[in-house]
Amino acid sequence: DTAVSQTPKYLVTQMGNDKSIKCEQNLGHDTMYWYKQDSKKFLKIMFSYNNKELIINETVPNRFSPKSPDKAHLNLHINSLELGDSAVYFCASSQVGGASTSAGNTIYFGEGSWLTVV
Amino acid sequence: RKEVEQDPGPFNVPEGATVAFNCTYSNSASQSFFWYRQDCRKEPKLLMSVYSSGNEDGRFTAQLNRASQYISLLIRDSKLSDSATYLCVVIRGGYQKVTFGTGTKLQVIP
Repeated sequence: DTAVSQTPKYLVTQMGNDKSIKCEQNLGHDTMYWYKQDSKKFLKIMFSYNNKELIINETVPNRFSPKSPDKAHLNLHINSLELGDSAVYFCASSQVGGASTSAGNTIYFGEGSWLTVV
Repeated sequence: RKEVEQDPGPFNVPEGATVAFNCTYSNSASQSFFWYRQDCRKEPKLLMSVYSSGNEDGRFTAQLNRASQYISLLIRDSKLSDSATYLCVVIRGGYQKVTFGTGTKLQVIP
């Protein structure tokens, strides 16, 4: 069973389009994330949700809108796609509960969604 | 200064060699530390947690130096399969402010 699954895995789309990436985790975790990994391989957090509530929103254009219908799902919608949005987007999850328990802080990643904007 | 810094490498080492990576962090309030491994075109996966007392998992040893604010990863008897990018991860705060380093690329050569 895949712990964190995201779809689609590959997405090629034209500039200006709107697209969504879906993510689901079956680990019972309270916290979910979206990360972006660009061509230089730098992994940068975009959003973090705890129990459906937004807790981290890094400097991300407002064309990116996360939505968490329940704590097992965190979807990412992107409006008016630009060339610079081309990257790998990773969904991830972890237990919440502070930093006192290392096991609780383990972050599990999905396989990534490879977005190419042309 | 970046919150988490790593030497990007690449580190090219022969099979059987011992190699060490360091990762420095700038925020002394950081609480949890990890090493992740990322293979080419794959997602990052947890390699090991880093404890204050240091910890070992087979050929891998991780250490934390809070005074100097760095963590290290030592790989002994390198295997070809160890070739990957190793990401340092630092967490602080109750809601997990998670910061990844840029990664250190390791290439083990036959």
